[in-house]
Amino acid sequence: GENVEQHPSTLSVQEGDSAVIKCTYSDSASNYFPWYKQELGKGPQLIIDIRSNVGEKKDQRIAVTLNKTAKHFSLHITETQPEDSAVYFCAASIEYKLSFGAGTTVTVRA
Amino acid sequence: DAGVTQSPTHLIKTRGQQVTLRCSPKSGHDTVSWYQQALGQGPQFIFQYYEEEERQRGNFPDRFSGHQFPNYSSELNVNALLLGDSALYLCASSLGLGTNEKLFFGSGTQLSVL
Repeated sequence: GENVEQHPSTLSVQEGDSAVIKCTYSDSASNYFPWYKQELGKGPQLIIDIRSNVGEKKDQRIAVTLNKTAKHFSLHITETQPEDSAVYFCAASIEYKLSFGAGTTVTVRA
Repeated sequence: DAGVTQSPTHLIKTRGQQVTLRCSPKSGHDTVSWYQQALGQGPQFIFQYYEEEERQRGNFPDRFSGHQFPNYSSELNVNALLLGDSALYLCASSLGLGTNEKLFFGSGTQLSVL
């Protein structure tokens, strides 16, 4: 099955700086790559997604890039704010199943 | 517009017991998926229901079973509970057969097995 690896496991950034999270996947047939944000006591919330026929997608301060050849994709958060502090998960989809990475705990320091 | 609702929020059981978790999907959604999230890990896919049938299944034993009702709500049943079943169980809803795009997750049921 699909194996998704996510790095780093923890990330601490100064408010206003950028944060980057990287993921790799194993199955070249994966064609959909969402990113989820999970706050304490809540379920994951979709923040951005990208399909395999697109190399980059941006939504305000959040952007995702995909390199199909290398089988890796990244989340970029610019101008980080305290409310960006949360656990972020990448995922890859093959057929009807989403496989998640282990998560990155992002802490934004004021 | 209510999102995905799950009940109960917390549950404590002992080994060998059986448990039933419930989920109501977001209004307008017809597909329900269940995920298990162990502490410090990402969610793992259990199965997906559409039109009252299990359509896809992850690597979980037959002790895990489910049901979907005509109103699209769903139940997750776990028999013969093991200590390792302790986790957050997440329900996610979406629109359309087999899709895992644009999933909306509930806040989950925290199951503790003693």
